[in-house]
Amino acid sequence: DVKVTQSSRYLVKRTGEKVFLECVQDMDHENMFWYRQDPGLGLRLIYFSYDVKMKEKGDIPEGYSVSREKKERFSLILESASTNQTSMYLCASSFGTGDGYTFGSGTRLTVV
Amino acid sequence: SQQGEEDPQALSIQEGENATMNCSYKTSINNLQWYRQNSGRGLVHLILIRSNEREKHSGRLRVTLDTSKKSSSLLITASRAADTASYFCATEKENRDDKIIFGKGTRLHILP
Repeated sequence: DVKVTQSSRYLVKRTGEKVFLECVQDMDHENMFWYRQDPGLGLRLIYFSYDVKMKEKGDIPEGYSVSREKKERFSLILESASTNQTSMYLCASSFGTGDGYTFGSGTRLTVV
Repeated sequence: SQQGEEDPQALSIQEGENATMNCSYKTSINNLQWYRQNSGRGLVHLILIRSNEREKHSGRLRVTLDTSKKSSSLLITASRAADTASYFCATEKENRDDKIIFGKGTRLHILP
């Protein structure tokens, strides 16, 4: 069963901490994405990547960075966590244009 | 950059009835996709319809696409309690390789 695995379901971090959210896919997908989901705002794209070592900014990249050193792994980094980054973070991958996304189960991050 | 907008925002129906959700979007698309999200979990891809298709079926799901009206509908027939979830439409714009934009979703509640 193919899947996207996010390393943590729940995470609590302190303001100012550097936070790493890990995402691994086992489908040999080219594309990987990070979204955050907030009530009333839907899913918003943070960053995405079409290939190893490539990254593109999404709609809300501020305060975030990403790393894709291997095809199967896409990491989201909160350089200095702030309370307004408390959210559900969703990782997804896809094979290419016209292909549906496969999502991970999400990481609910709380920054205190 | 909101592209798709679902209607209604919330819907409650009796088990066994049909549920219809609508999605409107603003710009020309390559394809439109529907996803389901159970509470607190990741999204699951349901169905993808390409811009040159008008209707598509998958089990109890029927999706239509009207590119002249820039709208789509998702019909779930003979609803079940397990269909209770949020449903999102997502659009891949023309010339926006592989990236899809989500609407805010319709919350569907199936009453026993």
